[in-house]
Amino acid sequence: DGGITQSPKYLFRKEGQNVTLSCEQNLNHDAMYWYRQDPGQGLRLIYYSQIVNDFQKGDIAEGYSVSREKKESFPLTVTSAQKNPTAFYLCASSINLGGLDYGYTFGSGTRLTVV
Amino acid sequence: GNSVTQMEGPVTLSEEAFLTINCTYTATGYPSLFWYVQYPGEGLQLLLKATKADDKGSNKGFEATYRKETTSFHLEKGSVQVSDSAVYFCALRGGADGLTFGKGTHLIIQP
Repeated sequence: DGGITQSPKYLFRKEGQNVTLSCEQNLNHDAMYWYRQDPGQGLRLIYYSQIVNDFQKGDIAEGYSVSREKKESFPLTVTSAQKNPTAFYLCASSINLGGLDYGYTFGSGTRLTVV
Repeated sequence: GNSVTQMEGPVTLSEEAFLTINCTYTATGYPSLFWYVQYPGEGLQLLLKATKADDKGSNKGFEATYRKETTSFHLEKGSVQVSDSAVYFCALRGGADGLTFGKGTHLIIQP
């Protein structure tokens, strides 16, 4: 079955460490996205990529970095510059065929906790 | 810029009650509108969508109509079940960048 896989499901980070969250999709979608979810704040866009080797900052990109070397993969690195990284991180992908908008497919999320 | 406003809740209803979750938006042009549902500890699942004015999206007994004159996309269900308990997000896409989400509405259905 096609879908998006995020790993790990739970991740613990020490202060000052960088960590990388994995996101892989086998849906052949061109576009991929990273969102951060905090209680009471909904979802906020971190980075997105419309095509391989290209990505754009979202609303809250500071302290994060991404790469898009393959169509299937869009890893997110939470750097030590991110002051409050504890959150639930969601990856998504999308396709637009013939002008029809099919919305997003989401992964099951990674919960990151700073210890 | 684009924005979505929805009632935040929690909304608590009894089983078989009628559900309405309000959603209004601000956007230029003609955005696509979506409702997503999130069950505890999981990602978001697309519930329904509408891509032009007066379209009605429907799925699993839920409905929402794209009302451009009132810039609204309210979610309704005639008879809710305990299994409908979840967080519901209204969202819009007006361009090539990501979806803009509301803050989510936590729905609790009591037996």
